[in-house]
Amino acid sequence: GEDVEQSLFLSVREGDSSVINCTYTDSSSTYLYWYKQEPGAGLQLLTYIFSNMDMKQDQRLTVLLNKKDKHLSLRIADTQTGDSAIYFCAESKGGGATNKLIFGTGTLLAVQP
Amino acid sequence: DADVTQTPRNRITKTGKRIMLECSQTKGHDRMYWYRQDPGLGLRLIYYSFDVKDINKGEISDGYSVSRQAQAKFSLSLESAIPNQTALYFCATSDTRFAGRTDEQFFGPGTRLTVL
Repeated sequence: GEDVEQSLFLSVREGDSSVINCTYTDSSSTYLYWYKQEPGAGLQLLTYIFSNMDMKQDQRLTVLLNKKDKHLSLRIADTQTGDSAIYFCAESKGGGATNKLIFGTGTLLAVQP
Repeated sequence: DADVTQTPRNRITKTGKRIMLECSQTKGHDRMYWYRQDPGLGLRLIYYSFDVKDINKGEISDGYSVSRQAQAKFSLSLESAIPNQTALYFCATSDTRFAGRTDEQFFGPGTRLTVL
């Protein structure tokens, strides 16, 4: 996804917080998403945020959205080895009935015990 | 049982061969998508279909074709495979009722294709 950028790799120790960052390009995106891909599996929706929100918290996950800078981040508190996966951010494009998702390059999160 | 299935899961083929990847879903969704995943490039959209009579090209459709045989089935064909089509291919589905809102996509397990 050339329109959505992420760093490729992040390594953290178990118990630390992880912060995965994403920049997107379409300021009209209504929703922004975080998907998780575990080894050998397809993507699963982890969480999403509506564009009129600055923050969304869901248990260990915190999503921050800075619309001015088109910057999205995912914070995972108390990171566990089971959180090791590739994380994709995605933005919605087209709007309404023609909506499509544009995915970022993905960030591989490696959690060290 | 998986809601979105893909066959085959792995395939090795030779340059110039015709290959078909199949996707079936039991979620009752009307929208289906084909993506390819390459390291460092993320997921790129190949084709998508919003209903049985609707087929649209994505950002990288060259060298691929699709067929939406029924609401539940969406197949991807490589007419003459080439080595740079070696990738992980994913099928996904979504529900029109959520378009422009949460619009969650549900992914199959992927097909790993190697073209020699």
